[in-house]
Amino acid sequence: GQQLNQSPQSMFIQEGEDVSMNCTSSSIFNTWLWYKQDPGEGPVLLIALYKAGELTSNGRLTAQFGITRKDSFLNISASIPSDVGIYFCAGQRTSGSRLTFGEGTQLTVNP
Amino acid sequence: DTAVSQTPKYLVTQMGNDKSIKCEQNLGHDTMYWYKQDSKKFLKIMFSYNNKELIINETVPNRFSPKSPDKAHLNLHINSLELGDSAVYFCASSQWYWASGVKETQYFGPGTRLLVL
Repeated sequence: GQQLNQSPQSMFIQEGEDVSMNCTSSSIFNTWLWYKQDPGEGPVLLIALYKAGELTSNGRLTAQFGITRKDSFLNISASIPSDVGIYFCAGQRTSGSRLTFGEGTQLTVNP
Repeated sequence: DTAVSQTPKYLVTQMGNDKSIKCEQNLGHDTMYWYKQDSKKFLKIMFSYNNKELIINETVPNRFSPKSPDKAHLNLHINSLELGDSAVYFCASSQWYWASGVKETQYFGPGTRLLVL
């Protein structure tokens, strides 16, 4: 089935550093979503992207929908300890179709 | 107010038992989903219902049976539980774009942690 390759799998950074993670796919998606999952909780939507080339920010987070519609990246600037968690990308082909998730990026921020 | 809620949050049971997980959303969405997250944190779709109609049915054992009594509820019943069913099960909901004209995003519940002994 479809798969999303998300990298890196894990990151260990110091507070204040910037973070970048990305997802690539062998097939096209028309929607890209980025979620964060805190321990013991469900994934929470961070940013949704609906148009190729779209660049969207949410506070210190910025995400882009790749021009080819086969990739997306998420940047976090000036990381803080509460940024710790697992970040997932997800792609959707059409409205109502299933989300295909990446394998997640485990982010650890050292104070 | 909780948008997508699930009960129970934790479920510990013996192999062979039958159990149900309930999900409710108060967002007015018309589509609901069940996902399974394994020990490696990989999220995989199991089922999807739109307006109480099954639209996605992944290859899961037929011991798993979803039921949607109305648009706001999607329950998951599991028969003859096995050790490999231990995982976190997430419910999610969304509003189909073509039906509403709004951009569609999925919102997740807090998860049900199932442990089969």
